[in-house]
Amino acid sequence: QSVLTQPPSASGTPGQRVTISCSGSASNIGSYTVNWYQQVPGTAPKLLISKNNQRPSGVPDRFSGSKSGTTASLAISGLQSEDEADYYCATWDDSLNGVFGGGTKLTVL
Amino acid sequence: EVQLVQSGAEVKKPGESLKISCKVSGYSFSSYWIVWVRQMPGKGLEWMGIIFPGDSDTRYSPSFQGQVTISVDKSIATAYLQWTSLKASDTAMYYCARSAGLRGWFDSWGQGTQVTVPS
Repeated sequence: QSVLTQPPSASGTPGQRVTISCSGSASNIGSYTVNWYQQVPGTAPKLLISKNNQRPSGVPDRFSGSKSGTTASLAISGLQSEDEADYYCATWDDSLNGVFGGGTKLTVL
Repeated sequence: EVQLVQSGAEVKKPGESLKISCKVSGYSFSSYWIVWVRQMPGKGLEWMGIIFPGDSDTRYSPSFQGQVTISVDKSIATAYLQWTSLKASDTAMYYCARSAGLRGWFDSWGQGTQVTVPS
């Protein structure tokens, strides 16, 4: 049971916009920036968003991040089949050190 | 090019010790933190601990404190994760990754090391 709560699953059709939430508390998301990772099954995770809303070089601008209070969100617009993967939020926690969310499995219908 | 190359898959017996490695190249090893992440079969990512190779400053998740040891050998730009007495519940994929800071993001990842401890 992670201190960062993500929905276990999300889905959308090609071209749609999907949002994944990550809910925490004052000791983690409320105090620190949030990063997002994409993991295609069978492969290592990949950095998708850093510092709440910064896209590393090479990440399509269809991916965007935001944070408000103790909740962060990842939005994927123009959904594509290759976006089907697991998505994890991560941040720092004052008591636990680094923490990940439980992960959200995105299905492209 | 930044690369983190992890050691190969391991199959060990309960009670045995193990040390897996993460060899980095393409950047100054002493300047970035290295984090270790566990992924149990069919489960999510878990933050285990982090080390700064420059001075070996190490932090652990309370869940892993005392269960594993993280270390580095600066002379060969390699980070390690070790166990003194493995349990079946240690069966998992273990990833190392480079971190921009103690509380930073993980911008480059190793390919993972599968550790299997049959019960």
